Formats: sequence, C-alpha cells, structure tokens
Amino acid sequence: DTGVSQNPRHKITKRGQNVTFRCDPISEHNRLYWYRQTLGQGPEFLTYFQNEAQLEKSRLLSDRFSAERPKGSFSTLEIQRTEQGDSAMYLCASSLTPEQFFGPGTRLTVL
Amino acid sequence: AQSVTQLGSHVSVSEGALVLLRCNYSSSVPPYLFWYVQYPNQGLQLLLKYTTGATLVKGINGFEAEFKKSETSFHLTKPSAHMSDAAEYFCAVSRAMGRDDKIIFGKGTRLHILP
Repeated sequence: DTGVSQNPRHKITKRGQNVTFRCDPISEHNRLYWYRQTLGQGPEFLTYFQNEAQLEKSRLLSDRFSAERPKGSFSTLEIQRTEQGDSAMYLCASSLTPEQFFGPGTRLTVL
Repeated sequence: AQSVTQLGSHVSVSEGALVLLRCNYSSSVPPYLFWYVQYPNQGLQLLLKYTTGATLVKGINGFEAEFKKSETSFHLTKPSAHMSDAAEYFCAVSRAMGRDDKIIFGKGTRLHILP
C-alpha cells in the first residue's frame, strides 16, 4: 500500500477550459474526501463519499464542480469553465477511521 | 458548527527551544482533534490525534498535545525544536459521531526555526 495518490501533481490551464483530477485512495478505505487549499489558508472541505455515495457537498462546490466515485474506489473531480479563482491546491484524503490520510495534492494554476 | 482558531500565523523559535503552537476550537458536540504538518509542496501528514481517553496525546517526531475541554484548547508542544521542524502546522476538528466527519482546519501556523 503506497498511500493516497493524486494525478496530475500540477496542472496549468487557460481560463474557460475544463480540467479533471484523479484520486486513488488507500485500498481498504471506504471514505474519500476532497479539500481545496489556497495560499496561506488551511484546507477547506469540498465533498465526501462513503463508498460510491456522495454524502455531502460544501457550498464552495459551485455548479461548475462535479465529483464522482463510480465504483467506490478512485474518484475524479472535474472543474468546468475554469476561472482564475479556481487556482489552488486540491487535496484528496481517505479514511476508515476518524483519521484521514492525505495525498500530495494537485496544484491547479488557471491563467 | 465547528471551528478552529490558531493563534499566530507565524511562530519563530530557536533550535533546541520549546515549541508551543496554540489552538482553540469550538464544537457543539464532542470533538475529535488533530494536528497535521505540511512541508512545502506536499500533502498533510498527521502528527497526532485526540479521540477519546487520555487527554495528553503523543505523536510523531516528539510532538505532543493536551486536550483541555474547560479551555477548549488543544495546544501542540515539543520540548526541543529541530531545524527539520520548520513547516506549516494545522490544527483541525471533526465531529466525534455521526456521518458528518469532515475535518475543519485552522488557517495554519508557520513554524520557523532559528539557528
């Protein structure tokens, strides 16, 4: 088990383009979380899944954001029509217990 | 609702000196409390957690924290700072029960170690 992995690690895109990030959780973990971290701030909760069910979405998750976890394993986070304000580090975490294990993050830069 | 306040966005200590990072939380239900560390361009690593039981919890790299319910605090300490401790530290809280176990993070404290 190599921990939580995220791909890509870095993404640079132009405003208006769509981007998709992938998260592979620790294999036996049934819960998966997405957070967003902007410069100088702590991570902010976006959404979480228990198995394939998306149980909660933050109001930070606008209509342009969608997350899926189709088979209860890996998850994708898609941002449509990116805006400069979407530039941030997107972190994924997984858990089986109260402790969440974080991936290295995907840093998104929107030009 | 839950929230976390970390006192001091930057803390500087000399190598070998005591490290004290302050954290106060607000929670209407019994909390779980965490300290995470983040090195540049990396994800978060769990230092320690409080769930139930002993209020003084020990973590990795010589860090410890004490849960004080009466003060709603969960301060992080280390007796002797090392240069390798320079990083961003986040205090965090989640609910102790129920489905809503997302973690609420503080804004972070950047720890600087002076030679």
